[in-house]
Amino acid sequence: EVQLLESGGDLIQPGGSLRLSCAASGFTFSSSAMRWVRQAPGKGLEWVSLISGGGGSTDYADSVKGRFTISRDNSKNTLYLQMNSLRADDTALYYCAKVSCRADSCLDSWGQGTLVTVSS
Amino acid sequence: QSALTQPASVSGSPGQSITLSCTGTSSDVGGYNYVSWYRQYPGKAPKLMIYEVSNRPSGVSNRFSGSKSGHTASLTISGLQAEDEADYYCSSYTSSNALYVLFGGGTKVTVL
Repeated sequence: EVQLLESGGDLIQPGGSLRLSCAASGFTFSSSAMRWVRQAPGKGLEWVSLISGGGGSTDYADSVKGRFTISRDNSKNTLYLQMNSLRADDTALYYCAKVSCRADSCLDSWGQGTLVTVSS
Repeated sequence: QSALTQPASVSGSPGQSITLSCTGTSSDVGGYNYVSWYRQYPGKAPKLMIYEVSNRPSGVSNRFSGSKSGHTASLTISGLQAEDEADYYCSSYTSSNALYVLFGGGTKVTVL
């Protein structure tokens, strides 16, 4: 059974930094691209970032580009999201999800999310 | 990048069929058969319900079906049940941004 467990969310002041982690199990982690998706309170889903299975290819939403960095440690089956220069509008529940389907077009497994609150 | 367009809400009575729409452009929904649908209960993570327009993952009820016509994809829920009350999001591959996917804004399904 695929399991994804996020951690690292916290209350952080504007301008601060935070690192989220996502521990994966139940599948061949290094063979799967992974995404971070976030959801602001009462709002819809928003793509944040994508990383290939080997970690060599990454992409970001314009809203986080230059501030967030996605990475992975395939030896530890763990995905990361380093978040710098945090702003109030980064407040959201952050999900990690396993990419699947043709063209990497769907997410077939999701974690339960970790809450990031940016406030002074 | 604009999101895909979904109606804010759709409702139906138990046993009825309802259809949710998801409208995009030729760069996403209209150009590729890579539309997915997710269901999300309050306080829970999304769950994949349909992928590549019309395919159901293992374990998803056959009451859920997907289709596409032109730039609009649709999710039909047949035999509506109370447990179908949730938010539903569509997603599509896109050639228009680096992340290669777009989300719709979500549709709240209410079972009357």
